[in-house]
This record gives sequence, C-alpha cells and structure tokens, in this order.
Amino acid sequence: EVQLVESGGGLIQPGGSLRLSCAASGLFVSSWFMTWVRQAPGKGLEWVSLIYSDGKTAYADSVRGRFTISRDYSKNTLFLQMNGLRAEDTAVYFCARAPVKFNYNYYMDVWGKGTTVTVSS
Amino acid sequence: QSVLTQPPSASGTPGQRVSISCSGSSSNIVSNTVNWYQQLPGMAPKLLIYITNQRPSGVPDRFSGSKSGTSASLAISGLQSEDEADYYCAAWDDSLNGPVFGGGTKLTVL
Repeated sequence: EVQLVESGGGLIQPGGSLRLSCAASGLFVSSWFMTWVRQAPGKGLEWVSLIYSDGKTAYADSVRGRFTISRDYSKNTLFLQMNGLRAEDTAVYFCARAPVKFNYNYYMDVWGKGTTVTVSS
Repeated sequence: QSVLTQPPSASGTPGQRVSISCSGSSSNIVSNTVNWYQQLPGMAPKLLIYITNQRPSGVPDRFSGSKSGTSASLAISGLQSEDEADYYCAAWDDSLNGPVFGGGTKLTVL
C-alpha cells in the first residue's frame, strides 16, 4: 500500500524551529516530485515547497529563506525544516506525491494525513 | 487572496447536477492542466480530477472536469449526500513557479 505519514508538528514559539518528516511506504520519495502543502485553520490549501526528482527545490514566496525541503534516500523520508516560525505559519502541513515529469500537468495523487504546527507564545 | 478564484459555496439537491467554476489567468489555467481535489471535514485532500478531465481509479464518472480559456469547471451529476465536501481547483503557475490553488468551494447537499 502506498502511504505517506507526516510527523514532527507541535506547539512552538514565534521565531522557533521545527523539522517535519514525511515517511513514505510503497513509493520512493527520491523518484518523484514531492510537495508540502499547508492549510491554516478554517482556510484553503496553500503550496509551501516542492523537491523535484533531480533534487532541485522550489518555495512559495511566503516561506522562501526560512523553510528548507530535503529528502533522505536511505530513510525514504521527506523533510521540511522550518526556521523563523511566525504565527501565520500555523497550519496543518500535508506532504504529497506528484507522479509527473513536467510542471505543466502537475498534480498530487497521494497525500498524508497531515501534522499540525501551532506557532504561539 | 488565492491565485485561482472559486465561489465560496455551492448547493444542490440529491440527483441534481451542480457545477463549480475556477477562474485563473494565462500563467496557470490557460497554459497548464487543471486538477480538482475533494476534502471531507478533518481529512486530507483527495485527488478527484487530474490533467483537466481525467478521473483516478475509483472516482465515479458522475464527476467531470473541463476548461476553456482562463476558466475551468468541475461538474457533479446525480448529486449524492456523500458529495458534501470542500472542493479545490489547482494548476501549475508559470509566474510563481509552483502549483496554485483556488480558495475552495463548500458544497452543500440540501
């Protein structure tokens, strides 16, 4: 069974750091475009970051310079290092797979259940 | 403010056909394919339509997608109570160099 399981969320003070993990089974995170998407309480979906199969990365303007996406081949795990956290980063963070080779037809077919990040003093 | 624009709500009665619109621009919907996600309360999004009009295995053919110019649509025929959910459109944006989403449409089955 193909599955993604996020972990690492929690309550953190503004300015703090967290590292989210997304453990994969039934798929290899290094073989696909992998994405982080977040959803603030009561709000819609927002793309955060992605890593291409060749290792290149991309970030939303709202997190560029503060968040870093990476992956570990041996652990088959996707990560999101989040530094300089702000109240507006409070959200459920989902990881997802994009089974595509090109950007123009980008879509996400496997999603984790999400992990909750709360930034508050 | 979402890059793609959806109506915040839609409704219909069981058996009815409803349509949800998604408006974008030349940097997203015009030049790239559109996807739709269904999100039930407290759950992760689920892929409903990909590459504008393709259904993943297991998605009923009551769901269909289309696009024309800067707009896309999700149509649901034979509305059922279990279709009550939030629906999001999405597409790659060439200017932002990432996928963008609509603000979501809450579908109520009356």
